[in-house]
Amino acid sequence: NAGVMQNPRHLVRRRGQEARLRCSPMKGHSHVYWYRQLPEEGLKFMVYLQKENIIDESGMPKERFSAEFPKEGPSILRIQQVVRGDSAAYFCASSPESETYGYTFGSGTRLTVV
Amino acid sequence: GEDVEQSLFLSVREGDSSVINCTYTDSSSTYLYWYKQEPGAGLQLLTYIFSNMDMKQDQRLTVLLNKKDKHLSLRIADTQTGDSAIYFCAQKGDYKLSFGAGTTVTVRA
Repeated sequence: NAGVMQNPRHLVRRRGQEARLRCSPMKGHSHVYWYRQLPEEGLKFMVYLQKENIIDESGMPKERFSAEFPKEGPSILRIQQVVRGDSAAYFCASSPESETYGYTFGSGTRLTVV
Repeated sequence: GEDVEQSLFLSVREGDSSVINCTYTDSSSTYLYWYKQEPGAGLQLLTYIFSNMDMKQDQRLTVLLNKKDKHLSLRIADTQTGDSAIYFCAQKGDYKLSFGAGTTVTVRA
């Protein structure tokens, strides 16, 4: 039973390009959460999704960031027109239901904007 | 201010006990967690405690929860070099986790 799979592990983008980060939740998990970790900081909540629904995107920057979790396929975190300040580690977590005690985290995607 | 606060650094001698402290703000948190992050890796759930418990022990790990003071601690007995990592305290709201900034634990020989 594979864990939460994130790809790519490392992503380098030039300023102004788009970044697409993928997350495949654990088998049987229908809830996905994205967190961002800036250098030397803790993780900050970005967005909570269920299949085909965004439940809470209160942690997402208002512009350039979007997330989806389609009926088929992985969850995608999309960052348009990246800037240097977007450089961070982006972690995805999944759970079977929102009231569970346990969240399984992926290994993260480390985005570097040059 | 931050919802979860923890000291940034801890240096401990191999074989000694490590104690990492954390304070949190949300008294309605149902679960509190300790995660471990090794360099370049993701987060590994070390242990968690339900809010109606005072203590939880799991092998070398002991978690103490003081709900009155909103204080959580993690004790690692017989600290080993493999315990060198960043340790994050987190509180659970409805479904969001709020993390502290992490405590970097360095184990010296």
